[in-house]
Amino acid sequence: QITLKESGPTLVKPTQTLTLTCTFSGFSLSTSGVGVGWIRQPPGKALEWLALIYWDDDKRYSPSLKSRLTITKDTSKNQVVLTMTNMDPVDTATYYCAHRPDTAMVTNWFDPWGQGTLVTVSS
Amino acid sequence: SYVLTQPPSVSVAPGQTARITCGGNNIGSKSVHWYQQKPGQAPVLVVYDDSDRPSGIPERFSGSNSGNTATLTISRVEAGDEADYYCQVWDSSSDHRGVFGGGTKLTVL
Repeated sequence: QITLKESGPTLVKPTQTLTLTCTFSGFSLSTSGVGVGWIRQPPGKALEWLALIYWDDDKRYSPSLKSRLTITKDTSKNQVVLTMTNMDPVDTATYYCAHRPDTAMVTNWFDPWGQGTLVTVSS
Repeated sequence: SYVLTQPPSVSVAPGQTARITCGGNNIGSKSVHWYQQKPGQAPVLVVYDDSDRPSGIPERFSGSNSGNTATLTISRVEAGDEADYYCQVWDSSSDHRGVFGGGTKLTVL
């Protein structure tokens, strides 16, 4: 059974850097084809894809946020970390991490997802 | 940038069929995935690769994709199907990025 859980601060101040950790079980990020993605959802709004890291350390970022995002993995700890710099109140959202199955590389879907963690940006 | 367009809301009576569309430029050339999200919960994958169902998802959920429109079809709708539904593709045309639609609220009357 695959499970993921997000952890990190619930409140950050504007201009600060957010660091979120996704701790997972039931799969290994050293397995060919596997990945972990991050998706966020502002309150009452739609899902927004942020970043994806593959088993081979290839990384993809949302073009609109690329300059602020960094995704890394620690295979030995079964963790993926997302950092977002220069946080703003508009970044207030629930942040989810999700498993990318070992499927064909032409597409990516996410299953399952973590429970999500709400991050509020406010002074 | 690639854009996916969904109707904000769809309403259907119990037992009827709900169809939720996802529009995008030549979306038929991409693989479309669908997620169900109930209030206060994380999204759940209900259809992947246009029309495949993960294990545990009822056969009542099906998908199709052609031309500029992908469709999630829910047959014999139940009260428990009331949720937000999101389509998603991977845009490999330029920046290799994930794209979600704006979501559709399914109301069971």
